[in-house]
Amino acid sequence: DAGVIQSPRHEVTEMGQEVTLRCKPISGHDYLFWYRQTMMRGLELLIYFNNNVPIDDSGMPEDRFSAKMPNASFSTLKIQPSEPRDSAVYFCASSFSLNVQETQYFGPGTRLLVL
Amino acid sequence: GQQVMQIPQYQHVQEGEDFTTYCNSSTTLSNIQWYKQRPGGHPVFLIQLVKSGEVKKQKRLTFQFGEAKKNSSLHITATQTTDVGTYFCAGGTNDYKLSFGAGTTVTVRA
Repeated sequence: DAGVIQSPRHEVTEMGQEVTLRCKPISGHDYLFWYRQTMMRGLELLIYFNNNVPIDDSGMPEDRFSAKMPNASFSTLKIQPSEPRDSAVYFCASSFSLNVQETQYFGPGTRLLVL
Repeated sequence: GQQVMQIPQYQHVQEGEDFTTYCNSSTTLSNIQWYKQRPGGHPVFLIQLVKSGEVKKQKRLTFQFGEAKKNSSLHITATQTTDVGTYFCAGGTNDYKLSFGAGTTVTVRA
C-alpha cells in the first residue's frame, strides 16, 4: 500500500496567489482529515470528511480556505488568496470506519511558504 | 472546546536515561492515541488506549491511561538516539475528532 499521498511536497508562492493542495487517501478509508502544523499553534484539525461529505469544518480558519472531496480517492485544500501567515505544513490523514476511534494515517505533508 | 495539554514541551535526555511525558485533557476522553513525528517527517501512530487505567507496553515504551480517562503518560526507558522526535498525544471524543497536544520534543545526547 502506498499510504496517503500528498502533492506537492513543497510549495513556494507569493501573497495573493491561489494555492491548491492535493491528497489521495489510503484505498478503502472512509475518513479524511486535513491538518495544519505550525510552531506556534501545533497540529490543528481544519476539516474532516466521511464518505466524501464534509462533517466538521469548524477548524477552517477563514473563508479563504476551502476543501473538497469529489470522490473517495481525492481531496483538495485550496487557499485563495494566500497570505504569509498561511505558511505551514499541511497534512492529510485518512482512517477507516471510526468506531472507537481508528488510527489516523498521515501523509508526508505539503510544506507551504507564502512570501 | 476540548483542550489537550502536554508537558514538558522539550525533553533533553542523556542516552540510557528514562523520561516521561504527560498529557492532560480538560474533558473526559473516549480514547487517547500517541503519535511520533521524526524531524522533517509526519506523525506516525504508536498506540491507542481505550479503557480506564489501561497500560500498554511497546518494548521500552510504556503508555498509561488515567482512571478518569482525562490524562495519559508515555514513559521511555533506556533512551536511545532512535527515540529522537516529537511525541504527541491525541484525545478522542465521541464526535470522532482528535485533539492533539502540543507535543514533547525529545533530543538525546550520546
